[in-house]
Amino acid sequence: DAGITQSPRYKITETGRQVTLMCHQTWSHSYMFWYRQDLGHGLRLIYYSAAADITDKGEVPDGYVVSRSKTENFPLTLESATRSQTSVYFCASSEGKNTEAFFGQGTRLTVV
Amino acid sequence: KQEVTQIPAALSVPEGENLVLNCSFTDSAIYNLQWFRQDPGKGLTSLLLIQSSQREQTSGRLNASLDKSSGRSTLYIAASQPGDSATYLCAVSTGANSKLTFGKGITLSVRP
Repeated sequence: DAGITQSPRYKITETGRQVTLMCHQTWSHSYMFWYRQDLGHGLRLIYYSAAADITDKGEVPDGYVVSRSKTENFPLTLESATRSQTSVYFCASSEGKNTEAFFGQGTRLTVV
Repeated sequence: KQEVTQIPAALSVPEGENLVLNCSFTDSAIYNLQWFRQDPGKGLTSLLLIQSSQREQTSGRLNASLDKSSGRSTLYIAASQPGDSATYLCAVSTGANSKLTFGKGITLSVRP
């Protein structure tokens, strides 16, 4: 299917475990982003990528790792999950600089 | 640091009413402003993108305006319908890497 897809949609993990959230887009967009959405904070940028092999930190990067070996994929890894990382995670992409952003359906992550 | 504010946090109107949702931002040096819709448990759907050089954009019953110098945008919804009930978020792109700063959203309820 065309578009941007995230997997899994729901995930429950234990404190201290490593977990990876996947994001795949079919448009060959240059830019990809990871946001988290929390009540009271809204959406906050975790990491972003301007192209394959180019990544940079956003507003709340601590505890997260990203990679982008292929243009279409942008996985987000929580190296050692903490309860404060319980959130809804959204991946987004845009074609170029300051163009329209498109979002995936989100992954609801619960850390117990 | 860019801050985006959306007030009020929630709004309830009767069906058929024309309504305006407000968005303000602190740094007028933006590249663009984007309005999104989010249904409960879903991802963000892009509604309108206004480039910094534009004053407004229209899509169907939606019209978004931008006054960059005063740091304001409005989303006008004509003849509201119950299906318009959702959370509406505005986001601004500040900086060269298409990163978005979001407001916390306005939850709209349209009563039949």
